[in-house]
Amino acid sequence: EPEVTQTPSHQVTQMGQEVILRCVPISNHLYFYWYRQILGQKVEFLVSFYNNEISEKSEIFDDQFSVERPDGSNFTLKIRSTKLEDSAMYFCASSEYQETQYFGPGTRLLVL
Amino acid sequence: GNSVTQMEGPVTLSEEAFLTINCTYTATGYPSLFWYVQYPGEGLQLLLKATKADDKGSNKGFEATYRKETTSFHLEKGSVQVSDSAVYFCALTSTNDYKLSFGAGTTVTVRA
Repeated sequence: EPEVTQTPSHQVTQMGQEVILRCVPISNHLYFYWYRQILGQKVEFLVSFYNNEISEKSEIFDDQFSVERPDGSNFTLKIRSTKLEDSAMYFCASSEYQETQYFGPGTRLLVL
Repeated sequence: GNSVTQMEGPVTLSEEAFLTINCTYTATGYPSLFWYVQYPGEGLQLLLKATKADDKGSNKGFEATYRKETTSFHLEKGSVQVSDSAVYFCALTSTNDYKLSFGAGTTVTVRA
């Protein structure tokens, strides 16, 4: 069964450093998403992406964040200058249509 | 805006007990409703869904019925197993708002 994959599974970085989180969505899916879950809190929407552009973003998704689909398979989330409060589990998701989203296993980001 | 309210956990049960996790929602338009499950150390997996009123989603012995009149989507399982120990998230998308809105999650522990 096809699945969403994410790399790395864990990332530790110093405050102020740039990180890139990578995702490979399910191959025939057209809509891509990033969510995050700070420890002990709700899963929060960050951004959705369709047809090579952002279709919606949350208030969390400020200028420090960017997304890209650099080729036909990868979907990346970049955080330009990480802050302590960016420590969270980041989930990528994809969907064929704008409905049922399938999630990857997540990347646990720790900012020191 | 959209929101999901889930019963607070944690919930601890014995094997073969009956499980209910309450979920109510507020949404604009016509929401689709989902239950996701997060097993220890893993990502979010779609457990079941329902896309219109009175639909029943089911999977792995779990069921939930979309009740428009009570704006609810309670999750039930008649006989839980130790392997059902996980965090369960109720979530929704709605017409013209395809990002998922999640409940806070309910931690379920099943003891042998």
